[in-house]
Amino acid sequence: DIQMTQSPSSLSASVGDRVTITCRASQDISNYLAWYQQKPGKVPKLLIYAAATLQSGVPSRFSGSGSGTDFTLTISSLQPEDVANYYCQKYNSAPLTFGGGTKVEIK
Amino acid sequence: EVRLVQSGAEVKKPGESLKISCEGSGYIFTSYWIAWVRQMPGKGLEWMGIIYPGDSDTRYSPSFQGQVTISADKSISTAYLQWSSLKASDTAMYYCVTGLGGGYTFFAFEIWGQGTMVTVSS
Repeated sequence: DIQMTQSPSSLSASVGDRVTITCRASQDISNYLAWYQQKPGKVPKLLIYAAATLQSGVPSRFSGSGSGTDFTLTISSLQPEDVANYYCQKYNSAPLTFGGGTKVEIK
Repeated sequence: EVRLVQSGAEVKKPGESLKISCEGSGYIFTSYWIAWVRQMPGKGLEWMGIIYPGDSDTRYSPSFQGQVTISADKSISTAYLQWSSLKASDTAMYYCVTGLGGGYTFFAFEIWGQGTMVTVSS
């Protein structure tokens, strides 16, 4: 099965900073990659699908890129409300594996 | 409005059986895959398995194959996750999820249920 590896596992950045999270698939998954945000105590929320398509209602400071095995989620200007755990997920074929997650905090 | 509404929190003893539910509304239930996701306390998201209610085609994560059963009753637009013998390690929040972009192909999970907390303790 394809493994999904996220890095870093946690990060701390200042408000306004550009933040980048990476996700690597152990095999080619084309662009079948989604990113989710889970704020503390809340249900996860879809941010990006098809590696780079912003889900409706998601702020434009979020963006995704990549194809094949290497993907990136970028927050262009970190805001206090972006404190959350972020997960990537492949969905080209079962199992639809999640990455291990990245915890984003404010410095 | 598209919604997934899950059954309420459960407290069970080790060895007991359990079936939790997830009712879909606002969309054609039989036309989109529904998956179950586990989140153990303080941990990440784990994909457990998925079912296509239209024909009950079901796929499991190797980690959960044989440990749980996923089913659906399309007559009442409800998916289920069940255990025959619970363990303390099954204590977790369980989410049902669906994605409406793919039809019979998999898609990202844009719709999440509110979660069902299952606590297994003697």
